[in-house]
Amino acid sequence: EPEVTQTPSHQVTQMGQEVILRCVPISNHLYFYWYRQILGQKVEFLVSFYNNEISEKSEIFDDQFSVERPDGSNFTLKIRSTKLEDSAMYFCASRGATSGKHTDTQYFGPGTRLTVL
Amino acid sequence: SQQGEEDPQALSIQEGENATMNCSYKTSINNLQWYRQNSGRGLVHLILIRSNEREKHSGRLRVTLDTSKKSSSLLITASRAADTASYFCATDPAQGGSEKLVFGKGTKLTVNP
Repeated sequence: EPEVTQTPSHQVTQMGQEVILRCVPISNHLYFYWYRQILGQKVEFLVSFYNNEISEKSEIFDDQFSVERPDGSNFTLKIRSTKLEDSAMYFCASRGATSGKHTDTQYFGPGTRLTVL
Repeated sequence: SQQGEEDPQALSIQEGENATMNCSYKTSINNLQWYRQNSGRGLVHLILIRSNEREKHSGRLRVTLDTSKKSSSLLITASRAADTASYFCATDPAQGGSEKLVFGKGTKLTVNP
């Protein structure tokens, strides 16, 4: 069964460093998402991406964050200058485009645990 | 409570028993989805129920949706130790064009062998 994959599974970085989290969405999907989950807290929406542009972003997704689909398979989240509070599990998700926009499931990857020291 | 609030926060049962988890939300929705998360791992999609549906089944899972009460329940029948995980409801709010899912804090289910 197709699945969303993410690399790395765990990333440790120093405060102020740039990190790039990578995702390979399910191959025929068109909508891509990033969410994060701070330890013990809710999963929070960061950004959605469709047709090579951001379609929606949350207040969390400030100028330090950016997303890119550099080729036909990868979807990346870049944090330019990490802060301690960026430590969280980051989930990528993707969705197909069948039978109406709001009736499709978002499939999540296994997550990247980011630790900022 | 906020959009997508589950209760109870934690539930401990014996193998073979049924587990019921509830979710309440505030705004109108397009659909509601239930996910499972094993400790520190990814989110596994369980079931999606649309706003015009009242009940849905998938294997040992039964989901109900009451849009008048803005609530949903997830029933796991004949639970197994492997069902031990956190369960989250996520709503797709009916806010013109928004695609984000809004998650609750989850119910931590422990199934004792």
